[in-house]
Amino acid sequence: EVQLVESGGGLVKPGGSLRLSCAASGFTFSSHSMNWVRQAPGKGLDWVSSISSNSSYIYYADSVKGRFTFSRDNAKNSLYLQMNSLRAEDTAVYYCARASGRFDYWGQGTLVTVSS
Amino acid sequence: EIVLTQSPGTLSLSPGERATLSCRASQSVSSIYLAWYQQKPGQAPRLLIYGASSRATGIPDRFSGSGSGTDFTLTISRLEPEDFAVYYCQQYGSSPLYTFGQGTNLEIK
Repeated sequence: EVQLVESGGGLVKPGGSLRLSCAASGFTFSSHSMNWVRQAPGKGLDWVSSISSNSSYIYYADSVKGRFTFSRDNAKNSLYLQMNSLRAEDTAVYYCARASGRFDYWGQGTLVTVSS
Repeated sequence: EIVLTQSPGTLSLSPGERATLSCRASQSVSSIYLAWYQQKPGQAPRLLIYGASSRATGIPDRFSGSGSGTDFTLTISRLEPEDFAVYYCQQYGSSPLYTFGQGTNLEIK
């Protein structure tokens, strides 16, 4: 069974940093591109970043470019999202999702709140 | 940048009725790269349709997708109580890499 479990969310002050993790199991992790998608409270889905299976290609939404860094460790079946210079508008539930083109499996999400 | 616009914003229907949800792209999208998701409150999104018309694993056949170019449709032939949720379309492959529509809230009338 495919499982994606996010962790690392919490309350952080504006300008602060946070590192999210996503632990994957139940599939050949090193064969799949992976993504982060976020959802602000009461709002729609917003793609954040994508990483290819071997980390050769990493893409970011303009809204996070230069502030967020997406990485993966295929030996540990894990993803990481380093978020720096956080802003109030980064407040959201952050989901990791497996990509086979479309996003066929999603984690349950971790909430990030940016507030003073 | 491709923008996806979903309509209506809210759709009020009764169980047993047919639901038709629209997704319009600001420029042509390859059908291969158009997906639909369902999201219930407090849950992660679930993939329903990919490649514009292919059902994902385990999705009932009352869900169907169609369309090409800039106009895509998700149809639920006969609504079940568990189908009331928010539905999102998504394109993938064009800049930005992935784009979601703003969602259609399908609510019980």
